[in-house]
Amino acid sequence: GENVEQHPSTLSVQEGDSAVIKCTYSDSASNYFPWYKQELGKRPQLIIDIRSNVGEKKDQRIAVTLNKTAKHFSLHITETQPEDSAVYFCAAAAGNKLTFGGGTRVLVKP
Amino acid sequence: EAGVVQSPRYKIIEKKQPVAFWCNPISGHNTLYWYRQNLGQGPELLIRYENEEAVDDSQLPKDRFSAERLKGVDSTLKIQPAELGDSAVYLCASSLVRSSYNEQFFGPGTRLTVL
Repeated sequence: GENVEQHPSTLSVQEGDSAVIKCTYSDSASNYFPWYKQELGKRPQLIIDIRSNVGEKKDQRIAVTLNKTAKHFSLHITETQPEDSAVYFCAAAAGNKLTFGGGTRVLVKP
Repeated sequence: EAGVVQSPRYKIIEKKQPVAFWCNPISGHNTLYWYRQNLGQGPELLIRYENEEAVDDSQLPKDRFSAERLKGVDSTLKIQPAELGDSAVYLCASSLVRSSYNEQFFGPGTRLTVL
């Protein structure tokens, strides 16, 4: 089955700096890569996703890149703000089955 | 649009007791998922339904876990008997399958503590 590795597990950045989270996956059949943000005690919420036919996607301060050859995808958050503090999960989907990474706890220091 | 609804939000039970969780997906969503999320980890799929049919239950511990989705709408997940290691957040999600891609919408989860 699919295996998704996510790094780093924790990330502390100064407000205004950029944050980068990296994931790798194992199943070459995976073709959909969403990113979820989960605040403490709340539900995971989709913040951005990318399909396998696209190499990069941007939405305001967040962007995701995908390298299908290397089976890597990354989340980039620019101009970080305190409200960006949360746990972020990457995931890879083959068909309708999502496999999640272990999560990255991001702390944005004012 | 109402989101995915789950109840209860919290449950504390003693080991060996039974427990049940309920989920009502977003109206019109034909696919429903149950995940377990251990502390500090990502959600892990337990079972996936397409309408009434369980199409992927390979990760469901069938000796003690059971699930049903009668009429293809809401669903219940049951544990009997519960063990200490079952303490986790149980998340329900739903999606409308249109193609190979579909966004899953999560409920708030049920936090289970087994004493």
